[in-house]
Amino acid sequence: KAGVTQTPRYLIKTRGQQVTLSCSPISGHRSVSWYQQTPGQGLQFLFEYFSETQRNKGNFPGRFSGRQFSNSRSEMNVSTLELGDSALYLCASSDPGQANTEAFFGQGTRLTVV
Amino acid sequence: GDSVTQMEGPVTLSEEAFLTINCTYTATGYPSLFWYVQYPGEGLQLLLKATKADDKGSNKGFEATYRKETTSFHLEKGSVQVSDSAVYFCALRYNTNAGKSTFGDGTTLTVKP
Repeated sequence: KAGVTQTPRYLIKTRGQQVTLSCSPISGHRSVSWYQQTPGQGLQFLFEYFSETQRNKGNFPGRFSGRQFSNSRSEMNVSTLELGDSALYLCASSDPGQANTEAFFGQGTRLTVV
Repeated sequence: GDSVTQMEGPVTLSEEAFLTINCTYTATGYPSLFWYVQYPGEGLQLLLKATKADDKGSNKGFEATYRKETTSFHLEKGSVQVSDSAVYFCALRYNTNAGKSTFGDGTTLTVKP
């Protein structure tokens, strides 16, 4: 079974630009969650999508958005990039239909804003 | 709200030393508890989990017991190896909200030969 795939692995963007990151979950997993990891703030929850609907949302500004497609693949978008958005963005997939389900993480996308 | 507090790092040990990384949590309900490990340049890998009080999770020589009375989930290993050098994260999650995990700040472990 293929794991969670995130693309691209690395990105360099300029302040003010926008960026789109992609996450392909494990086959059969309908829940995709996104996290931002920075040295100062640690791992912070961005949002979760389940069956194409946003089910949970963290405390991030509206510049951060996401969506999920019918095949469960998810994208997150950050508009008007700021230097502070430089981070490792991780996505995790899970199968909520399983009791005590665990989340499987991708390798992340390293975003650098210059 | 819910939160997870891990012992501050970094932690440096010699090979074959005993490891303890403390983790305590604050929760409004009855979450499942997890330890994840992150190697340089990689995402998070699940190390072990416990879903209810007094459960013990174990994997690759690591153990942690869900202690409801002390709201703790300390990670232990009897004899660490150089290959255990990584960042360790404690986390909690509710089964009714499986898409959202709350993480501790992470503890960096370095094991020297």
